[in-house]
Amino acid sequence: QLQLQESGPGLVKPSETLSLTCTVSGGSISSSTYYWGWIRQPPGKGLEWIGSMYYSGTTYYNPSLKSRVTISADTSKNQFSLKLSSLTAADTSVYYCARSNGPSAFIDYWGQGTLVTVSS
Amino acid sequence: EIVMTQSPVTLSVSPGERATLSCRASQSVYSNLAWYQQKPGQAPRLLIYGASTRATGIPARFSGSGSGTEFTLTISSLQSEDFAVYYCQQYNNWPSFGQGTKLEIK
Repeated sequence: QLQLQESGPGLVKPSETLSLTCTVSGGSISSSTYYWGWIRQPPGKGLEWIGSMYYSGTTYYNPSLKSRVTISADTSKNQFSLKLSSLTAADTSVYYCARSNGPSAFIDYWGQGTLVTVSS
Repeated sequence: EIVMTQSPVTLSVSPGERATLSCRASQSVYSNLAWYQQKPGQAPRLLIYGASTRATGIPARFSGSGSGTEFTLTISSLQSEDFAVYYCQQYNNWPSFGQGTKLEIK
């Protein structure tokens, strides 16, 4: 059974860079079938797709966040990561890592999510 | 950007009754639409993709229909575990989600 688990700080200061890691078990991020991405959800609000990556290293970013987002992978650890820079309070959200079968596709597996609060 | 609009925002239905949730796209997404269920403190769960295909393990009481810009999720006989927030998502262009419909017990 595929499992995804997010890890990273729960509190980050404004203007700093958020770094989150997703550890995948029960499957390989080097699979040619799937894409691995990040979605966020502000408390009490809806969902926003941040971006995704393919095992080859090709990345796809939300145009509204593109200048601040980097998604990368460490295949030796079966992990992929999110970096989001220049944080503001508006970036406070639950961040989910996820699997899809395309850069624009439905999500069939989600991590449990991790709450990140941006505050001084 | 394709804007997804769900209605109603809140739907009150009694257990055993049918629930019908709507989702409208600002432009055609063909059949590139998914539905998710989210319970408090949990990640969303995929219910439907391709507008009408149930995901693995999803009960037959959940059904999806529609194409183009108008979509519907129907839950034929509500069970207690079905009360949750439901989101639609288009994946024809850059993925975008609706704002959600909260299905509550009447």
